[in-house]
Amino acid sequence: EDQVTQSPEALRLQEGESSSLNCSYTVSGLRGLFWYRQDPGKGPEFLFTLYSAGEEKEKERLKATLTKKESFLHITAPKPEDSATYLCAVQRRYGGSQGNLIFGKGTKLSVKP
Amino acid sequence: DGGITQSPKYLFRKEGQNVTLSCEQNLNHDAMYWYRQDPGQGLRLIYYSQIVNDFQKGDIAEGYSVSREKKESFPLTVTSAQKNPTAFYLCASSPARDRAGYTFGSGTRLTVV
Repeated sequence: EDQVTQSPEALRLQEGESSSLNCSYTVSGLRGLFWYRQDPGKGPEFLFTLYSAGEEKEKERLKATLTKKESFLHITAPKPEDSATYLCAVQRRYGGSQGNLIFGKGTKLSVKP
Repeated sequence: DGGITQSPKYLFRKEGQNVTLSCEQNLNHDAMYWYRQDPGQGLRLIYYSQIVNDFQKGDIAEGYSVSREKKESFPLTVTSAQKNPTAFYLCASSPARDRAGYTFGSGTRLTVV
């Protein structure tokens, strides 16, 4: 069964304390892996798409990487405004609902000043 | 600016009542989706539509209904058969099935009173 698991469920950091969020997946052929940021009471906001192992993408303090089994979202010197829930999703290559995204439960990040 | 508009932002439903959540997009996207989000559960797919006048059940379709009469619109009706409708509902769209992530609306919070 296709599955996306994110860890940790929650992460508390001090401002400037770098860390990583993990997204492990099992899927019948990966078409793409997506990272989203979600603020409380709002819809998810797109961050990155990764398509193949070894690929990396960066945006400000965030860097996403992809292997054949997992993805990491690295946060360098985070600020309080980076506090949010980060969602990972995969899109399968095969099957009748191949366009659909399968979401993990998210990692809630809190950055204290 | 293009985007997805969900309305209302907050909705209250009485026992035995049907309610309809609106979702409109002006991104010219072919596919549209409805997700339900509960604390600790992640996003769960209710219904999706790849083209006008066609839609498919997702993982938790029982107690819900949809229509797709126009490309821009994908309303969700929460029927009285849905026994636990209190949740945050998210609508999303994507341009096509291949290698495309979603654009999300801002969500509707439904509460049973």
